[in-house]
Amino acid sequence: DQQVKQNSPSLSVQEGRISILNCDYTNSMFDYFLWYKKYPAEGPTFLISISSIKDKNEDGRFTVFLNKSAKHLSLHIVPSQPGDSAVYFCAASASGTYKYIFGTGTRLKVLA
Amino acid sequence: EAGVVQSPRYKIIEKKQPVAFWCNPISGHNTLYWYRQNLGQGPELLIRYENEEAVDDSQLPKDRFSAERLKGVDSTLKIQPAELGDSAVYLCASSSRNPPYEQYFGPGTRLTVT
Repeated sequence: DQQVKQNSPSLSVQEGRISILNCDYTNSMFDYFLWYKKYPAEGPTFLISISSIKDKNEDGRFTVFLNKSAKHLSLHIVPSQPGDSAVYFCAASASGTYKYIFGTGTRLKVLA
Repeated sequence: EAGVVQSPRYKIIEKKQPVAFWCNPISGHNTLYWYRQNLGQGPELLIRYENEEAVDDSQLPKDRFSAERLKGVDSTLKIQPAELGDSAVYLCASSSRNPPYEQYFGPGTRLTVT
């Protein structure tokens, strides 16, 4: 049972436009969510997180939105840059467990 | 600050052979994770340590996998004997128990079992 789902395996976006990556979860106990970026032959790198007490968190060009009722979160990248081309993973955790469940990833390609 | 260090980066072995992976976490991080990542999938937890104690090893195939974290710092993950299905990237991560709780990953070890 995939508790964290990223239903789009890939996404292509023109440079300068908005990239929207989506993530759905099924476990209502999850209350902390993270996004990671992964380049080839490297480990995932933390990007941004959000707690369930918020519905939005922003860091520079990256904004994460959380819709608890829909059990859905999204990562917005504005404006998208070629260097953003990578695989993006969302991960979810329940308070106090320190256990993270990862989605299968979305490969973003930003076209120059 | 040095990141999470893993070695080796790549390993090719024949099935039924043993293999070991080493991880040195970020200094001061009490929590250490070993993940396995298959092609096209996200990382899947194998084992989590709090200091030297394995607090979650429910996903570790204990018939062939073992891990240790002596003195609560470095950790070693071993597979004996390796099977073809063990081919994957093995990632080590560490985190602090203080917010914002994000994990810092090493570059991973790509294991190929032939």
